[in-house]
Amino acid sequence: DVQLVESGGGLVQPGGSLRLSCAASGFNFNTYDLYWVRQAAGKGLEWVSTIDAGGATYYSNSVKGRFTISRENAKSSLSLQMSTLRAGDTAMYYCASAQTKGLEYWGQGALVIVSS
Amino acid sequence: QSVLTQAPSTSGTPGQRVTISCSGNSSNVGRHNVDWYQQLSGTAPKLLMHGNNERPSGVPDRFSASKSGTSASLAISGLQSEDEADYYCAAWDDNLNGLVFGGGTKLTVL
Repeated sequence: DVQLVESGGGLVQPGGSLRLSCAASGFNFNTYDLYWVRQAAGKGLEWVSTIDAGGATYYSNSVKGRFTISRENAKSSLSLQMSTLRAGDTAMYYCASAQTKGLEYWGQGALVIVSS
Repeated sequence: QSVLTQAPSTSGTPGQRVTISCSGNSSNVGRHNVDWYQQLSGTAPKLLMHGNNERPSGVPDRFSASKSGTSASLAISGLQSEDEADYYCAAWDDNLNGLVFGGGTKLTVL
């Protein structure tokens, strides 16, 4: 079975840092583009970042320069290093994977709360 | 304000057909495939439709999608109570060089 499992969420103070991880299994990880998508409480989905199968990275304007996405194919692992966190970054963060047919697989999410 | 525009809510009765629209522009919907996601309350989103009108395995054929120019739509026929959820459209945007989502449409089954 395909699984994406996020970890690393929690409470962090404004200006702080946090690293999210996503462990994948059950599909050919190396050939998939990987995404982080977030959702603030009661709000819609917001794309955060993508790393494609070749390693190219893309960021939303709201996180560019503060967040870094990376992947480790040997471990089927995706990460999101978040720094200079703001209250507006508070959200459930989902990792997701895609080839050519949309975001096929999603994790259950990791909650990040930025508050003093 | 989302890049793709969706009505915030819609409703229907069991057995009815409902449509959810998604409006974009030439840099996103007009140029790229539109995917649709279903999010049941308290759960992660799930891919519902991809490549404008393709259903992943396990999605009932009551769901269909279409695209014309810079607008796309999702249709649900034979509405069932389990279809009550939030629905999001998404497409890659060449100007933003990223994925853009609609604001979501909350479907209520009366």
